[in-house]
Amino acid sequence: DVKVTQSSRYLVKRTGEKVFLECVQDMDHENMFWYRQDPGLGLRLIYFSYDVKMKEKGDIPEGYSVSREKKERFSLILESASTNQTSMYLCASSLWRTRAPNTGELFFGEGSRLTVL
Amino acid sequence: GEDVEQSLFLSVREGDSSVINCTYTDSSSTYLYWYKQEPGAGLQLLTYIFSNMDMKQDQRLTVLLNKKDKHLSLRIADTQTGDSAIYFCADPSGGYNKLIFGAGTRLAVHP
Repeated sequence: DVKVTQSSRYLVKRTGEKVFLECVQDMDHENMFWYRQDPGLGLRLIYFSYDVKMKEKGDIPEGYSVSREKKERFSLILESASTNQTSMYLCASSLWRTRAPNTGELFFGEGSRLTVL
Repeated sequence: GEDVEQSLFLSVREGDSSVINCTYTDSSSTYLYWYKQEPGAGLQLLTYIFSNMDMKQDQRLTVLLNKKDKHLSLRIADTQTGDSAIYFCADPSGGYNKLIFGAGTRLAVHP
């Protein structure tokens, strides 16, 4: 089974702290994604990566950065956490679109719930 | 632009059928998806439908696709308490296998 593991299920940080959220997948997927989930807003894409050292901004990249030094690992970084970044963060991975068989399914981690005080 | 819309809440009685609706804007999608999120967990793929199909049935689940109206629905027959979750419709119109998600429909099943 595909496994996407997020290192922390729950974090509490203070305003201004630097926060690292780690995500590892074990299925040799090219694509990796970071979403944030807020009630009534669904999932919004923060950043994604389709290869090592490659990254693309999603819909809400402000206040975030990412790192992909190895294919299996995709990190989300909050340089200076703010209270409006309190949210559930979901990591996902998928096969590159030309690899078969491929229905485009995203595989999600369990989520990291971040509270910024 | 890319947008996926669905209602936020649905409440049904145990044993009844549930129907969750979704509208999307990109007509070029190859697949359309339904994901399920149980409390405190990430999302899992529930089912998907290929865009050249009108209907797909999988045990208690029926997916209907109306391409003309860009409308997707998920029907759950004989809804059980274990079906209580948030259901997300998703459209791969973002490219690079990016999925655009709806806001999610919270399904509550009561006795």
